[in-house]
This record gives sequence, C-alpha cells and structure tokens, in this order.
Amino acid sequence: KNEVEQSPQNLTAQEGEFITINCSYSVGISALHWLQQHPGGGIVSLFMLSSGKKKHGRLIATINIQEKHSSLHITASHPRDSAVYICAVRRGGADGLTFGKGTHLIIQP
Amino acid sequence: DTGVSQDPRHKITKRGQNVTFRCDPISEHNRLYWYRQTLGQGPEFLTYFQNEAQLEKSRLLSDRFSAERPKGSFSTLEIQRTEQGDSAMYLCASSLRDYYGYTFGSGTRLTVV
Repeated sequence: KNEVEQSPQNLTAQEGEFITINCSYSVGISALHWLQQHPGGGIVSLFMLSSGKKKHGRLIATINIQEKHSSLHITASHPRDSAVYICAVRRGGADGLTFGKGTHLIIQP
Repeated sequence: DTGVSQDPRHKITKRGQNVTFRCDPISEHNRLYWYRQTLGQGPEFLTYFQNEAQLEKSRLLSDRFSAERPKGSFSTLEIQRTEQGDSAMYLCASSLRDYYGYTFGSGTRLTVV
C-alpha cells in the first residue's frame, strides 16, 4: 500500500461543478502539500497545510490530522482547472516529499 | 530570478551514455531537491541538499547516479551508463532555509533509446 493514496485517479466534470479530490496518508507528517501539474511537467505549489483549512480564490484545502486525510476542493470549476492534482506529504524527520500518484482532472465546457 | 531553472528541457540519449542535468534554484533558497517522475506516477524523491551538503539520498539513487551542489547554488545530476529504465522526467525543487514551501522547475525529460 502506498503511503499516500489519492482518489479518484481520474475525474471528468462539467464546467461549474464543485470538485473534490481526496488524499489519505498512512505516516506521521509535518506538512501536506497540494500541487498542480500541467502537461509538459511544470508543477505549481497550491497549498501547504499542517492543520485546518486554507483558501485561495476558488481553491480550498482542508486537512484532518487525526484521520490522516486531506481534501482539495475547486468551486465553480473551469476548463483551465484541467490538470493533474498531486498530494504530497513531508514525513516527520524527513526532508523530501512523498507523493501520491495524482488525480487527473478534466473540466469540460 | 523568477524561479527554478532546469537545463536541458529534453534529452535523448543512447543506452550506455552518460548524461548530466543542471538545476538553478531560486537564489535565496538553500535547500535543493531532485525528484524523478515516470509516466502516470507521482514524483519520487531522489536526493536533497542543504547548501552544498548532500543530506539525504533515496534507495532509488543507484551507484550510477551522482548529484553535486559544489558552491551551494546550482546543482547537477549525472547518470552514468544510462539504461532504458532511466527514462523519466527529472524534477528539481528548492525551498527556503526555514522551509516555507517548494518551488519546482519545469523538469528535464530524459529518453534513453
């Protein structure tokens, strides 16, 4: 079992829908990241969380440390949100990130 | 300095050849990371530098892989005697000393033929 599991692996939705991507992890962490990767490889850091909730524009990220679970929400989704969304954790005592496999999101107009 | 730069963007090499990639981090970032990403998978951690010191190496980093950061600024990742299984996107990231977040480069895509 991977240390970081994401669901769903693939998600296709219509423009305007509310999107939720889930991440569960099985190790102790000091921080959790949500990243966005577009075709061609470029990775953009969206959020870094150690507790609670963060919001940036139409994106909301939450984390429940006790349940070892995080969610990324996109409100009023738009075709430009189409990308791979990756959850990554920084394990306590380590410096490198451990990544999930990503969720491939397609928003259709 | 607008971000993390990686060079080259693409590299095609014949099996058995050596290749070297370069990463220029954000200038004030003292931490630098190398990751490898294969098709359909999330990135995997390879190694990490704090200034010029290589502090952590993954088991994925075989003897054919070596990374340096000689002056605590840019870093190079060399793969000797490349194999087809080395074909992947090699990503570099940097972060601040007290760790705020990561900035990723666009990656170097290696194809071994």
